[in-house]
Amino acid sequence: DADVTQTPRNRITKTGKRIMLECSQTKGHDRMYWYRQDPGLGLRLIYYSFDVKDINKGEISDGYSVSRQAQAKFSLSLESAIPNQTALYFCATRPGTSGSLDTQYFGPGTRLTVL
Amino acid sequence: AQSVTQLDSQVPVFEEAPVELRCNYSSSVSVYLFWYVQYPNQGLQLLLKYLSGSTLVKGINGFEAEFNKSQTSFHLRKPSVHISDTAEYFCAVSAISSGSARQLTFGSGTQLTVLP
Repeated sequence: DADVTQTPRNRITKTGKRIMLECSQTKGHDRMYWYRQDPGLGLRLIYYSFDVKDINKGEISDGYSVSRQAQAKFSLSLESAIPNQTALYFCATRPGTSGSLDTQYFGPGTRLTVL
Repeated sequence: AQSVTQLDSQVPVFEEAPVELRCNYSSSVSVYLFWYVQYPNQGLQLLLKYLSGSTLVKGINGFEAEFNKSQTSFHLRKPSVHISDTAEYFCAVSAISSGSARQLTFGSGTQLTVLP
């Protein structure tokens, strides 16, 4: 089984709809991240969380919100989706201990299309 | 703040030929350096990383990268590519500082296409 899973894998929605993307991990990592990937722009950080009580905005948080329901679960919400939020979304995890060597582990991605 | 520039958005190369994917970075502090690979319809996978020590780093699938501090570069190389190396490659940096989020800053990616 995959260590980092994302649901759904693909989603098409309409402008103005609320949508939630979910991420679960079995790696036991404290830190979780949400990125979006756009062609030619690489990955950009939306939100990150150090633990269930610590949520931080990333580079492009406007229009998004997150919820860390448990150590293993980190959800990304679009309260009112708009077409320029069409992108590939990735969840990632990282150990929280020092010496974790900064490696992040990525889920398979969710392809979101907003019409 | 850090920034990463991947100089080539697309690199076509014939099978069994050598390849170099270029990465330059900018940072006011020391950084860790990474290369990630994204195969079609998959998430990102760590290829290799430089944290300290020898500037030549070997990764999976025969790839290696060399950290050049004076040129602020971390180019990825493979002496002989295979069709299965076709993927998008991302260079990333993370600032070395205690108590920081140690966020990864990614480059825009290089699409490597290996031709038969």
